[in-house]
Amino acid sequence: AQSVAQPEDQVNVAEGNPLTVKCTYSVSGNPYLFWYVQYPNRGLQFLLKYITGDNLVKGSYGFEAEFNKSQTSFHLKKPSALVSDSALYFCAVSAQGADRGSTLGRLYFGRGTQLTVWP
Amino acid sequence: DADVTQTPRNRITKTGKRIMLECSQTKGHDRMYWYRQDPGLGLRLIYYSFDVKDINKGEISDGYSVSRQAQAKFSLSLESAIPNQTALYFCATSDRLGRRGFNEQFFGPGTRLTVL
Repeated sequence: AQSVAQPEDQVNVAEGNPLTVKCTYSVSGNPYLFWYVQYPNRGLQFLLKYITGDNLVKGSYGFEAEFNKSQTSFHLKKPSALVSDSALYFCAVSAQGADRGSTLGRLYFGRGTQLTVWP
Repeated sequence: DADVTQTPRNRITKTGKRIMLECSQTKGHDRMYWYRQDPGLGLRLIYYSFDVKDINKGEISDGYSVSRQAQAKFSLSLESAIPNQTALYFCATSDRLGRRGFNEQFFGPGTRLTVL
């Protein structure tokens, strides 16, 4: 079964400090991994994805994420947080595979982490 | 994402009423999805469709039905709404799998549904 865990419901960080939002996953086969952000009263916006290749993935708004296969993690990071980064962040996983009738093409989301950056 | 639109944006209804939520996309994507979001639970998949003739149940399909009227349109119906279907509903689309692998999903702005 595919699943995603975001162990922190809330992350608070001061503006200018580095931030990390944690994500671990469980998937059969090789994972596709994603981060999305949701601002109040908005839909989810895609930030970045890991498909294959370099373990460090760079995305929108200065965010990056590091894929760690041995730890089954895909933590979201940013070197210097902004107040405008305050939002709800979701990690999601899908499974690579040849059988389109199984989980291929479906995303499994974590419960979300509320990031608050204070001035 | 402005390319994925949902109507209505807000709806208040009563228990037992039939409700339809509509989703349209101009991205030309084959795949469309319906999710519901509840506080603390993240997003859960209700139904998904890989093309017009392909519809699949997600994690929580009971009490819901869908219709893929065209490549660009995917509707979600609640045949007899109940209060625990009060939630934020999102439609999403994605391009088909290609040689570059899985493609990200693009989300509509959501429909806030309240069932009294």
